[in-house]
Amino acid sequence: QVQLVESGGGVVQPGRSLRLSCAASGFAFSSYAMHWVRQAPGKGLEWVSVISYDGSNKYYGDSVKGRFTISRDNSKNTLYLQMNNLRTEDTAMFYCAKDLGLGYRDYSFQNWGQGALVTVSS
Amino acid sequence: QSVLTQTPSASGTPGQRVTISCSGSRSNIGSNTVNWYQQFPGTAPKLLIYSDNQRPSGVPDRFSGSKSGTSASLAISGLQSEDEADYYCAAWDDSLNGLVFGGGTKLTVL
Repeated sequence: QVQLVESGGGVVQPGRSLRLSCAASGFAFSSYAMHWVRQAPGKGLEWVSVISYDGSNKYYGDSVKGRFTISRDNSKNTLYLQMNNLRTEDTAMFYCAKDLGLGYRDYSFQNWGQGALVTVSS
Repeated sequence: QSVLTQTPSASGTPGQRVTISCSGSRSNIGSNTVNWYQQFPGTAPKLLIYSDNQRPSGVPDRFSGSKSGTSASLAISGLQSEDEADYYCAAWDDSLNGLVFGGGTKLTVL
């Protein structure tokens, strides 16, 4: 069955960097777009970024554009999120999610990881 | 403030039919498909409806989705206590070139 396991979360000071990883198994990782979605404590869901199956296309939410970079290594079945210049408002649970596979603009999150908590605080 | 607008809360009694609405604009719901997610406290969300009205396997047919113009709805019939959760709508936005969520609706089963 599909498994997505995030790692790399933790406590970091404002302005610093952190990289999240998401190890995928149970499906053909290289065939699916992958996403990062976050949820601040007590708040709703916010889409962060998507990367196409081959890494050629990437899109970002406005609040992270220019600071976060999504990438993937299909040889390792792993998704990444490099987060630079972190702000206190980036504090959230970060989920990686497998796309359903219907294509650009028809994105939906078919499977989710358990999440990695990122806390940005001085 | 979310791009897609949802009523913050909804409620119903067991067996009742409840509807949760999601309002958007021409650049999101008016142009692209809508998905719905269910989330219980402390857990990851679950895909409930995709492509406006399609249910993934395993989702009971008590859950249904519809769309008209720039608004979408999630209907839950035969409400059960285990349906008490947060529900989110989502769609791609062509103007933002990104995916947007509604603010979420907390459903209470009385």
